[in-house]
Amino acid sequence: QQQVKQSPQSLIVQKGGISIINCAYENTAFDYFPWYQQFPGKGPALLIAIRPDVSEKKEGRFTISFNKSAKQFSLHIMDSQPGDSATYFCAASGWAGNNRKLIWGLGTSLAVNP
Amino acid sequence: EPEVTQTPSHQVTQMGQEVILRCVPISNHLYFYWYRQILGQKVEFLVSFYNNEISEKSEIFDDQFSVERPDGSNFTLKIRSTKLEDSAMYFCASSEYRDQPQHFGDGTRLSIL
Repeated sequence: QQQVKQSPQSLIVQKGGISIINCAYENTAFDYFPWYQQFPGKGPALLIAIRPDVSEKKEGRFTISFNKSAKQFSLHIMDSQPGDSATYFCAASGWAGNNRKLIWGLGTSLAVNP
Repeated sequence: EPEVTQTPSHQVTQMGQEVILRCVPISNHLYFYWYRQILGQKVEFLVSFYNNEISEKSEIFDDQFSVERPDGSNFTLKIRSTKLEDSAMYFCASSEYRDQPQHFGDGTRLSIL
């Protein structure tokens, strides 16, 4: 129930193309779904996040689509650029005591070819 | 932009030795977290900390682990007697309020020999 399943494990996209990464969760108590971007040697950086009361959130070239009934959410990167090449993690969050804890997907290694 | 700082970036330790990983959270943040990532595996929650006490810990966070906020700026993770399987990247995170995004440091790579 605590798992977050992420696919694909790796993705190669041409510059200007659309990158799509999918995640699925099991626990209906999760109520916050962030995506993190990680470059080699750096920590994860929050990219965009969504709560289950909306079905889509867009920030620049990055869009999260959320399907509450299917318990799935996805990240779309429009007009992908070589600088987007990184590892992307989806996560799901619920309350743990007084704090939130993040349950992470396995990550997707994205390579954008010039 | 304020950031979470972790030291050292890489720690090499003999099995059985104690190790302390250090973190300086963002200054106005009140909630602190440790996560770890074994090479090739997912990031795993270890512990959350608020108001000088542990709020939640995972099953990974057994008696050999402890956390402390020794002063107003540092947040530490201590592993008392390291094992080979403790080799991982350890990430510290902090958030301003409990429902705000968690901001991560660049991690400490812990290698147990």
